[in-house]
Amino acid sequence: EAGVAQSPRYKIIEKRQSVAFWCNPISGHATLYWYQQILGQGPKLLIQFQNNGVVDDSQLPKDRFSAERLKGVDSTLKIQPAKLEDSAVYLCASRNTGGTGELFFGEGSRLTVL
Amino acid sequence: DAKTTQPPSMDCAEGRAANLPCNHSTISGNEYVYWYRQIHSQGPQYIIHGLKNNETNEMASLIITEDRKSSTLILPHATLRDTAVYYCIALMNRDDKIIFGKGTRLHILP
Repeated sequence: EAGVAQSPRYKIIEKRQSVAFWCNPISGHATLYWYQQILGQGPKLLIQFQNNGVVDDSQLPKDRFSAERLKGVDSTLKIQPAKLEDSAVYLCASRNTGGTGELFFGEGSRLTVL
Repeated sequence: DAKTTQPPSMDCAEGRAANLPCNHSTISGNEYVYWYRQIHSQGPQYIIHGLKNNETNEMASLIITEDRKSSTLILPHATLRDTAVYYCIALMNRDDKIIFGKGTRLHILP
């Protein structure tokens, strides 16, 4: 079974530029999450999708961050304009609703903002 | 979901059992206890979960106290590959969002 795929693995941009991250969850997983992990901290939930609808985006800085999951499968997370404090690893995870509750994570996309 | 408390770091000698504690004194009767770990430069990985009974799988054992106010994750024969941050999380519903704390950084010493 293929895991959660994310790209790019690494991205370096200057502040005020924009960036987009892509996630392909495990096939059949209805729930998709984006987390932000700053160095030395635990992952912080940014947004949760159920199919193509947003369940929780209360921690998403909506003035600069946006995310979508148009067909209920792949998802993109965009940052525009980026700030220095957005430097982090962006983790995508998916889950099979009604299963054991296990979250499956991708390897993450590491963003450096200069 | 109940708040969990974990020590920030622990050391364990290679080949010995690593016992990672977690306090969840405000846990309710139907909240699950989940454990994940995060190896450097990887996403978190599910280890095990339980409700009331002790659980064991190929990775670890989970011991939950009778009053359910604390639990211990046991890695029976720790190896260097077990060096990671371990997160203990309480979940009311298996479909609930997972909020990670700071976890315990486990160092396995050769």
